[in-house]
Formats: sequence, structure tokens, C-alpha cells
Amino acid sequence: GAGVSQSPSNKVTEKGKDVELRCDPISGHTALYWYRQSLGQGLEFLIYFQGNSAPDKSGLPSDRFSAERTGGSVSTLTIQRTQQEDSAVYLCASSLARWTSGKGYNEQFFGPGTRLTVL
Amino acid sequence: KNEVEQSPQNLTAQEGEFITINCSYSVGISALHWLQQHPGGGIVSLFMLSSGKKKHGRLIATINIQEKHSSLHITASHPRDSAVYICAVSWNLFRADKLIFGTGTRLQVFP
Repeated sequence: GAGVSQSPSNKVTEKGKDVELRCDPISGHTALYWYRQSLGQGLEFLIYFQGNSAPDKSGLPSDRFSAERTGGSVSTLTIQRTQQEDSAVYLCASSLARWTSGKGYNEQFFGPGTRLTVL
Repeated sequence: KNEVEQSPQNLTAQEGEFITINCSYSVGISALHWLQQHPGGGIVSLFMLSSGKKKHGRLIATINIQEKHSSLHITASHPRDSAVYICAVSWNLFRADKLIFGTGTRLQVFP
């Protein structure tokens, strides 16, 4: 089946503009995560959604960042008034917590990422 | 101090060598993940461990909960194993949970 997809694959924007990044998770996965990968910071957690629960927003770096997940599927990460330090690859992942043989598994499947460049 | 630390940061090897990458963490966790990222490529989950040892092909991952340490071993390394290997931790096995990542180990295997 299809994996996690993200769009656009590349986005170049000017400082101060708003951007929207989209993630389509694997069908049926109940959890969706946003991470970002930048040269100076490595991989860092931003936000995750689990079913109908309130999202964990503890990784969002400022109130310019927000995300929503509509219908329990597609998610959009929005960055308002972009700054140069927002330049990074934004990664989406999804997972389906499951039990097999008495053990729990919650493997995350990553999308290809959106490379954001803020000029 | 980072919650998850990896060593070495960079590693070069000749084809066929046995490779070990180490990961130490400073907090109590429920699961440790090993991920692979090829240059210009996406991230792939290799293992998720809560105890003991797992093997998949030439890859072996072990975890020692008491010592808060995990290792990733590659036997009979090959140039196609060249990638960045990332260790990450999480606190839930059965429901969604964020990953906290190490800084990665860049592996290059030469023919």
C-alpha cells in the first residue's frame, strides 16, 4: 500500500510569508507526527496527534507554528511569518499501535519530507 | 546534556567489517528505536526494542535497560549500508508517543 506522502517536496518562501505543509498518513494509522530536521539541531519533535485526543504540542518552537488534522487523516502544518531559522526539512510520520504475541509495537513510518527554505 | 547520545559520530569501514554503533540514554523509557537515513533519502525504521535483542538480516540490535544502553551491529558490512543511523527513544509501546532523537552516526563503508 501507499506510504506516508508529503507535499510540496520543496518550498522556497520569503521571510515573513506564511506557509502550509501537507501530510497524508498511511490509511488507517491513528497517530500522526511532525518532526523537523535542520543542520544545526538534528531531528526534533514538533507535534503529534493520536485519534481524537488533544494533540501534544510540546515541541512547537513558537506560536507561529500550528497544525491541524482533519477527519483523523490528512494534516497541515502552518508556519506564520516565516523566519530564516525556520529553514529545515519538515518530516511527517504515522503509526498504528498494535499488539503481537503479547508485546506492543508502535513503529513510526516516515514520509519523504518537505524541504523549506526561507530567504 | 542530551537525553540520547550516540557514538561514534562518524564511522568508516571496509566492506566486510563488523560494525557497532552505540546509544546511551539518560531517562527511563519504554522503547528504543533504530532508524536509517540514506543520503538524500527518507528515514526508515529498522528496529523498535523494549528488551533483549532483535535480528533482521545482517542487522542486530540489543538493549540493556539497567545500563540504559543499546547497540546496533552490522555484520559483513557492505557499501550499501552507508547511511546515517539514528537512535531514538519513546515512552509508550501501545499508543502514540513522540520520539526523542540522538544526533546520528554517519557510516561510510568502502569497497
